[in-house]
Amino acid sequence: AQSVAQPEDQVNVAEGNPLTVKCTYSVSGNPYLFWYVQYPNRGLQFLLKYITGDNLVKGSYGFEAEFNKSQTSFHLKKPSALVSDSALYFCAVRDKNRDDKIIFGKGTRLHILP
Amino acid sequence: DSGVTQTPKHLITATGQRVTLRCSPRSGDLSVYWYQQSLDQGLQFLIQYYNGEERAKGNILERFSAQQFPDLHSELNLSSLELGDSALYFCASSVERAGRRTDTQYFGPGTRLTVL
Repeated sequence: AQSVAQPEDQVNVAEGNPLTVKCTYSVSGNPYLFWYVQYPNRGLQFLLKYITGDNLVKGSYGFEAEFNKSQTSFHLKKPSALVSDSALYFCAVRDKNRDDKIIFGKGTRLHILP
Repeated sequence: DSGVTQTPKHLITATGQRVTLRCSPRSGDLSVYWYQQSLDQGLQFLIQYYNGEERAKGNILERFSAQQFPDLHSELNLSSLELGDSALYFCASSVERAGRRTDTQYFGPGTRLTVL
């Protein structure tokens, strides 16, 4: 069965420092991977996705994610964190060989400290 | 603004009641998804409709049902409500043509349901 794990409930980073939000997945075939962000009292917003091709995917607001097939990971990164990046981040996976369900991780709360 | 609209924004009701949540997808999107977000369960996929027909089912209770109308808007019906149904309910839409599983989902702002 497909699954996605975000091992950290919360990540604290000082403003200006690089940030990483971790995500690992499990699918039977090739994965389609997504990152979404949720600000307080808002719906989820799409950040980026990996379908195929270059392992480094660039997305909105300066975020990027690296697909690592051997480690089954898709960590979200940003070189220099902003206080406004503080939010809840969700990793999601879809197995291209299964039905259309997309599975979301439990979310990681990112706190950027001024 | 994602282009997906949901009404109402907030809903407060009592146990045993029935409510209907409404979603209008982005213009041109054929697929609508419903999710439930609660503190202890995270984001749970409930059901997907594609061009009026049910396409995928997740952890949707039998007390819950949904439909997608010819104009592509969707409604989620929740009946015999329990305290544990209190949550944020999100609708998302995508283009999702047949065979294209890579399409991004765009989320609405959600409906916050409180069952007292």
